[in-house]
Amino acid sequence: ETVMTQSPATLSVSPGEGATLSCRASQSVRSNLAWYQQKPGQAPRLLIFGASTRATGIPARFSGSGSGTEFTLTISSLQSEDFAVYYCQQYNNWPLTFGGGTKVEIK
Amino acid sequence: EVSLLESGGGLVQPGESLRLSCAASGFAFTSYAMSWVRQAPGKGLEWVSLISGGGGSTFYADSVKGRFTISRDNSKNTLYLQMNSLRAEDTAVYYCAKSQSGYHNFDYWGKGTLVIVSS
Repeated sequence: ETVMTQSPATLSVSPGEGATLSCRASQSVRSNLAWYQQKPGQAPRLLIFGASTRATGIPARFSGSGSGTEFTLTISSLQSEDFAVYYCQQYNNWPLTFGGGTKVEIK
Repeated sequence: EVSLLESGGGLVQPGESLRLSCAASGFAFTSYAMSWVRQAPGKGLEWVSLISGGGGSTFYADSVKGRFTISRDNSKNTLYLQMNSLRAEDTAVYYCAKSQSGYHNFDYWGKGTLVIVSS
């Protein structure tokens, strides 16, 4: 099983500041990596797929990078609606696996 | 507009069975793989099972293999998850999710249905 490890578990950020979230895979997933945002009581929302392609309707302040085993989600200037939990997911290997999540909270 | 609507959740005792349904609309259902993803209370996301668009291929997480069965009725645009021998650790919100074209990341999700396994 491909274990996905996200860090940090919690990130405290002031509105307007940037945030960098990391996701590491225990084996290569090539670029088959997605990022999701989840707010309390809601379903996850796809942000990034293919490691770096923004999904439809996702603002340009969200960007993804990386390949192989190291990936990053960057939020350039946090807006109030961006405070949420973020998950990475690999879809290169079976079983499909998610990271444990990074909670981005207001500092 | 894509819509996924889960139903069938509820409270069951350990060892009992439950069948979840997911009614899909707004896209060519037959053309896309579909998954069930669950989230235990206060925990992260766990992929459970996936079925190909035609229904001929299925995949399961080890944690549910042999107990859960995924299926679909393409004539009804509906996805199912038959859950047998339920355990307390199966307690979660169960989401159905649509695979993006050609890949198994998920571009649309339902709102989820809560399954509680407790005596």
